[in-house]
Amino acid sequence: KNEVEQSPQNLTAQEGEFITINCSYSVGISALHWLQQHPGGGIVSLFMLSSGKKKHGRLIATINIQEKHSSLHITASHPRDSAVYICAVRSETSGSRLTFGEGTQLTVNP
Amino acid sequence: KAGVTQTPRYLIKTRGQQVTLSCSPISGHRSVSWYQQTPGQGLQFLFEYFSETQRNKGNFPGRFSGRQFSNSRSEMNVSTLELGDSALYLCASSVGGPETQYFGPGTRLLVL
Repeated sequence: KNEVEQSPQNLTAQEGEFITINCSYSVGISALHWLQQHPGGGIVSLFMLSSGKKKHGRLIATINIQEKHSSLHITASHPRDSAVYICAVRSETSGSRLTFGEGTQLTVNP
Repeated sequence: KAGVTQTPRYLIKTRGQQVTLSCSPISGHRSVSWYQQTPGQGLQFLFEYFSETQRNKGNFPGRFSGRQFSNSRSEMNVSTLELGDSALYLCASSVGGPETQYFGPGTRLLVL
């Protein structure tokens, strides 16, 4: 079993829909990151969380440390949100090392 | 500020050769991490350098090595290339603590 599991693996939505991507992890963590990767490879860091909730524009990230679970929400989705979304954790014992989920391929159709 | 830059962007090598990839972090960032991304294994941590010292290392063979210079620029080297080394190699920089990392565009390596 991977240390970081994401669901779903693939997600197709219509423009305007509310989207949720889930991330579960099995180790104690010091931080959890949500990343966005567009075709071509470039990765953008969206959020870093250690507790609670963060919001940036139409994106919201939450984390429940007790349940070892995080969610990334996209409100009013748009075709430009189409990308791979990756969850990564920094474990309590691994220092700076990140362990990644397999990613969720999101496609938003107009 | 300029972003993280990586050179070269694309590279084709043959088995047995060696390759050196370069990463220039954002000005003021002292930590550089390297990652390998393949379709089969996804993103995997290679190593992290901070102030010219390797601070953390992933589970890769000794053929993968790196270094960091006094200006925080970093290089990674892969010796005796194998077909399975074909991947996107990404570096990311940060100030030095457990904060947001900023990724470069990556170097796409193809080993024939």
